[in-house]
Amino acid sequence: DADVTQTPRNRITKTGKRIMLECSQTKGHDRMYWYRQDPGLGLRLIYYSFDVKDINKGEISDGYSVSRQAQAKFSLSLESAIPNQTALYFCATSDLARDTDTQYFGPGTRLTVL
Amino acid sequence: AQSVAQPEDQVNVAEGNPLTVKCTYSVSGNPYLFWYVQYPNRGLQFLLKYITGDNLVKGSYGFEAEFNKSQTSFHLKKPSALVSDSALYFCAVRAPGGRNFNKFYFGSGTKLNVKP
Repeated sequence: DADVTQTPRNRITKTGKRIMLECSQTKGHDRMYWYRQDPGLGLRLIYYSFDVKDINKGEISDGYSVSRQAQAKFSLSLESAIPNQTALYFCATSDLARDTDTQYFGPGTRLTVL
Repeated sequence: AQSVAQPEDQVNVAEGNPLTVKCTYSVSGNPYLFWYVQYPNRGLQFLLKYITGDNLVKGSYGFEAEFNKSQTSFHLKKPSALVSDSALYFCAVRAPGGRNFNKFYFGSGTKLNVKP
């Protein structure tokens, strides 16, 4: 969905490095999310944000942090990357009032930690 | 516990035949139910959702899904499969809760293979 963009699309990094994944949206949605996808496990929620001042941990937040710089921007950081953080990462947005919280996803960032 | 199950890792169907991708859920209250499709190297795309009303929901690309409360199921269907329907399909459920966040629970995904 072109309304939700993620950068970079692919990233290879080394253990111990700090990296940031960025997400931007033009949908005007107030809610934003970060998920990771691993084969056979579906999507797991890392962090979510209802607005700029409201950030919450998801089910697997350890080793990650986020920043909601503006309504349209939500960044995910890996403070010290480790190999088991190798995964496909998705950003998503939603709007409860206008769209019953239907989530719309970005194209994903494939992260490899060596 | 809240959960979503997609019992089949893979579904194979011939082009032109009907297809069904199964989903069952366990969530308290009246759930919101969603289907998403993921094509290779792409993000998840919204297909359809059930919030309330008619149990048969129609969505994008000719897909539909039937909500069955007694069986706690929300199976995805299409009367005539296309090769281009081959993708990974995810079922998701969200317990309604007003302004309070209620987690989306995603199934593990079902790979649909449509053969010519």
